[in-house]
Amino acid sequence: NAGVMQNPRHLVRRRGQEARLRCSPMKGHSHVYWYRQLPEEGLKFMVYLQKENIIDESGMPKERFSAEFPKEGPSILRIQQVVRGDSAAYFCASSPPTGANVLTFGAGSRLTVL
Amino acid sequence: DQQVKQNSPSLSVQEGRISILNCDYTNSMFDYFLWYKKYPAEGPTFLISISSIKDKNEDGRFTVFLNKSAKHLSLHIVPSQPGDSAVYFCAASNAGGTSYGKLTFGQGTILTVHP
Repeated sequence: NAGVMQNPRHLVRRRGQEARLRCSPMKGHSHVYWYRQLPEEGLKFMVYLQKENIIDESGMPKERFSAEFPKEGPSILRIQQVVRGDSAAYFCASSPPTGANVLTFGAGSRLTVL
Repeated sequence: DQQVKQNSPSLSVQEGRISILNCDYTNSMFDYFLWYKKYPAEGPTFLISISSIKDKNEDGRFTVFLNKSAKHLSLHIVPSQPGDSAVYFCAASNAGGTSYGKLTFGQGTILTVHP
């Protein structure tokens, strides 16, 4: 009964490169959320997706960041032309089709930009 | 604009005693509140929640109290155990709206329980 699976767990990129973070929700869950945790801060909402739909992207930076949750396969958070300020832990969470206030989080992907 | 605040960055408690973690919020639209626990290198794990129609919810050693007029909630852990040592995050949502699952988190409080 696998939980929310995120990979890679650690990713190192140089400034200007692209970062792709993947998230497979819990079995039976069709709602996916991405959160970012900067050092010494709490988690901040980025985007909420259902299969093939972005429901709420109010927390996404306007440029360089995008997210998708295709019909098949994991959800992807993509960061283009990374900068040092993108260094953070990125957490994915999922909830069942009926929606839920309680999210199940993955272990996170830690991005380091050199 | 910090809508959910945990003003104590850290708390140290002796094993067996009570741990009280506090959280304040400013957005009156929040109607559902949660506590998550996080160990290093892991994701947050749900602990306990409370709806705004209640003022208390209890689950084993964990009790959450909500004071809506003060926009304040607290998590009580009694008795505290060394395994409770972790970062505790308070979170809030507008569950009655369309963005349930969109949580606003506090900065976290590091709880250390000494044997």
